[in-house]
Amino acid sequence: AQKVTQAQTEISVVEKEDVTLDCVYETRDTTYYLFWYKQPPSGELVFLIRRNSFDEQNEISGRYSWNFQKSTSSFNFTITASQVVDSAVYFCALSEITNAGKSTFGDGTTLTVKP
Amino acid sequence: NAGVTQTPKFRVLKTGQSMTLLCAQDMNHEYMYWYRQDPGMGLRLIHYSVGEGTTAKGEVPDGYNVSRLKKQNFLLGLESAAPSQTSVYFCASRETGRSNQPQHFGDGTRLSIL
Repeated sequence: AQKVTQAQTEISVVEKEDVTLDCVYETRDTTYYLFWYKQPPSGELVFLIRRNSFDEQNEISGRYSWNFQKSTSSFNFTITASQVVDSAVYFCALSEITNAGKSTFGDGTTLTVKP
Repeated sequence: NAGVTQTPKFRVLKTGQSMTLLCAQDMNHEYMYWYRQDPGMGLRLIHYSVGEGTTAKGEVPDGYNVSRLKKQNFLLGLESAAPSQTSVYFCASRETGRSNQPQHFGDGTRLSIL
């Protein structure tokens, strides 16, 4: 069975600080995909990034960066120079090839960025 | 640019009442999903559909029924609502079942059962 753990329930930072959200996963499959979604206070879930299990290159997109380490089963998300608009709940999710496209979500990390 | 639309956005029911939540997508996606989100928890899959006319149980299917009579619509029914079903319900769609595709979510339906 697959499992996604986001150990940080809530994080609070002051604007312009860097913050890292942790995600650890468990799966028996060798091929799988990892996702990060953002849920702002308005409630909708927005897709941020996808990574497949064969691609361990870190990715940077503006102030966002992702660190995928297969050896430690982690897919961490860093926001550099955080802004108030980054305040949201962030979900990490895992999809296995063999699981009909179903995803397992972590419990989410609530990030609050204070001005 | 509608994407995934959920109706209604809010609803209050009394215990024992029934209701249907509607999810409509205009992206011609094959797969559709219903999740519930409870405080401090991630999304838990209730039911899903891999195509028109098909449905399957997810992680927490008890107390819910679903139907996918048309490809663009996925209905979630509560036959006899219980307070434990108070939650925020999200519908999502995916182009196919390929695991590398992200899901597209609706804005959610906030349901309270008194």
